[in-house]
Order: sequence, then structure tokens, then C-alpha cells
Amino acid sequence: DADVTQTPRNRITKTGKRIMLECSQTKGHDRMYWYRQDPGLGLRLIYYSFDVKDINKGEISDGYSVSRQAQAKFSLSLESAIPNQTALYFCATSDIAGASGDTQYFGPGTRLTVL
Amino acid sequence: SQKIEQNSEALNIQEGKTATLTCNYTNYSPAYLQWYRQDPGRGPVFLLLIRENEKEKRKERLKVTFDTTLKQSLFHITASQPADSATYLCALLLGETDKLIFGTGTRLQVFP
Repeated sequence: DADVTQTPRNRITKTGKRIMLECSQTKGHDRMYWYRQDPGLGLRLIYYSFDVKDINKGEISDGYSVSRQAQAKFSLSLESAIPNQTALYFCATSDIAGASGDTQYFGPGTRLTVL
Repeated sequence: SQKIEQNSEALNIQEGKTATLTCNYTNYSPAYLQWYRQDPGRGPVFLLLIRENEKEKRKERLKVTFDTTLKQSLFHITASQPADSATYLCALLLGETDKLIFGTGTRLQVFP
């Protein structure tokens, strides 16, 4: 089984709808991240969490919210989806920084289309 | 402003040759620099990490160099194979924030 899983893998929705993307991990890592990837813009950090009680905004958090339900689960919500949120979304985990250099392990991605 | 630059144009090389990809950055002082591989429609996969006090790192056919004076990392794949065709991302870990900042990636195409 994959270490980092994301559901759904693909989603098409309409403007104004609420969407939740879910991420689960079995790596036992404390740190979890949500990124979006757009052609030509690379990976951009939306939110990150260094432990269950810690939530931090990334560079593009507007229009998104997150919930860290447990060490293994980190959900991303779009409260009212808009077309420019169409992108590929990745969840990632990492162990604490130090010897690992915060190496990140990515899920397979969710392709979200907002019409 | 702070930025990470990778060649946006695809790199096309012949099988067996050495592929060299470049990552340049400005106005950052990274503690680590990492390289990831990404295949179409899939998540990035970690390849190599190099620390600020290291000049070079090797892993099998892969070699990474890190020049903090030039603010540049080079990523080499020797004896390249068609299976090496993918997009390669560099990422900087900023020690003061513990966050990774990714470049936009360079697509490598190895043809037989």
C-alpha cells in the first residue's frame, strides 16, 4: 500500500461548491503539507502542519482551509470553489528536519477542475 | 526578490550521454538543496539531498554539486537512459522557516 494516499484522485465541480480533499499517511511523520501545481508555476505551498495542534499558512492560502484530524490525516477544503483553483493538488509528509533535511514524500495527487 | 530558476526549456539528449540540469537561486541562504523527479500526473519523488557545507553528492548514476558562492546546483545523470525521461525539480530548504521552496522544474527527454 502507498505511504501517502489522496482522495479523490480526480474531481470535477462547479463554481461555488464546497470541496474537501483528503490525505492519509502511514509513514508516522508529524509534518504534513498541501501544495498546488500549475503549469509554469511549479509547486506552491498552501498550508502546512508540523504536528496535530499546529497549522500554518503557506504562500497561497486564500480561499483554502485545512484540518489536521490526527497525525495521519490532513484535509484541504475549498469553501467556495472558483475556476482559478483548477490545478493538481499534492499532499506531502516529512520527518522532522535535521539529518533528513526535511525530505518530503508526496501523494499521487488530486486533479481538480472547477467549471 | 527571491527566486529559484530552472531551465524551462526541455533538455533533449541521446541515450548514454550525461545529462546536466541547472538550478540557480537568488536571495536565499538554503540549509539544504534537494532534487526530486516527477513523472507526468504523479507526485514528485525524492532523489538526492546536499547540505550547504557539502560540495558534491553521488548516488549511483546521479551526482549533485552545490556552490553557495555562485548560488547554483548542478544535477548530473551519467549514462542516461530513456527511463530517466521525466521532469526534475530542485528545492531549497530554508533553515529559518523549515519550509521547502520548489523550482518549476526542467523536463528531460532521453531518446534512443
